[in-house]
Amino acid sequence: EAQVTQNPRYLITVTGKKLTVTCSQNMNHEYMSWYRQDPGLGLRQIYYSMNVEVTDKGDVPEGYKVSRKEKRNFPLILESPSPNQTSLYFCASSLNSGHISSGANVLTFGAGSRLTVL
Amino acid sequence: TQLLEQSPQFLSIQEGENLTVYCNSSSVFSSLQWYRQEPGEGPVLLVTVVTGGEVKKLKRLTFQFGDARKDSSLHITAAQPGDTGLYLCAGADGGFKTIFGAGTRLFVKA
Repeated sequence: EAQVTQNPRYLITVTGKKLTVTCSQNMNHEYMSWYRQDPGLGLRQIYYSMNVEVTDKGDVPEGYKVSRKEKRNFPLILESPSPNQTSLYFCASSLNSGHISSGANVLTFGAGSRLTVL
Repeated sequence: TQLLEQSPQFLSIQEGENLTVYCNSSSVFSSLQWYRQEPGEGPVLLVTVVTGGEVKKLKRLTFQFGDARKDSSLHITAAQPGDTGLYLCAGADGGFKTIFGAGTRLFVKA
């Protein structure tokens, strides 16, 4: 089954304790992205990656890091989490090339990771 | 900065009623998508519209892309409890950046 898998789904942690949220997709998609979802603010992009070893900042990158060493994996790293990073996080992927009618730019989302930082 | 504004933010209706959700921007988008999100899950694509004035139908859902490609609407006919969820519009800027609206939370009462 074509899917994006995130782990952990739920995490409660404390301020300053480094954590990583993993994301893996099995669709051979070039493009991957991380979003955070907060009430009333919708989905805001944190970082995205056009392909292996190519990453770029989204709209709210502060306090986050990412890496793209392999095509299928795009982990999100919080080096020193703070309470304002408490949120629902989504990883998504899509094809990079081709017409939108063939699936390019169509995002497939993971089920989400709910993070609470105390 | 491109923004997408959705209205209404929240809608609670009775089963069988019709409703329309709006997605507006001052920017032009190369394509616009509608996603639906249910609790505990990620958004799932409903439709993509790419041509100004385009209308697409998905069973009881009708999607329209504005002529100027700055706005879109989602109309649901005879809403059912199964339509309950968060509806998100998302615009692509011609590159690979997708911008999301804040969403419309729909609750359909039986």
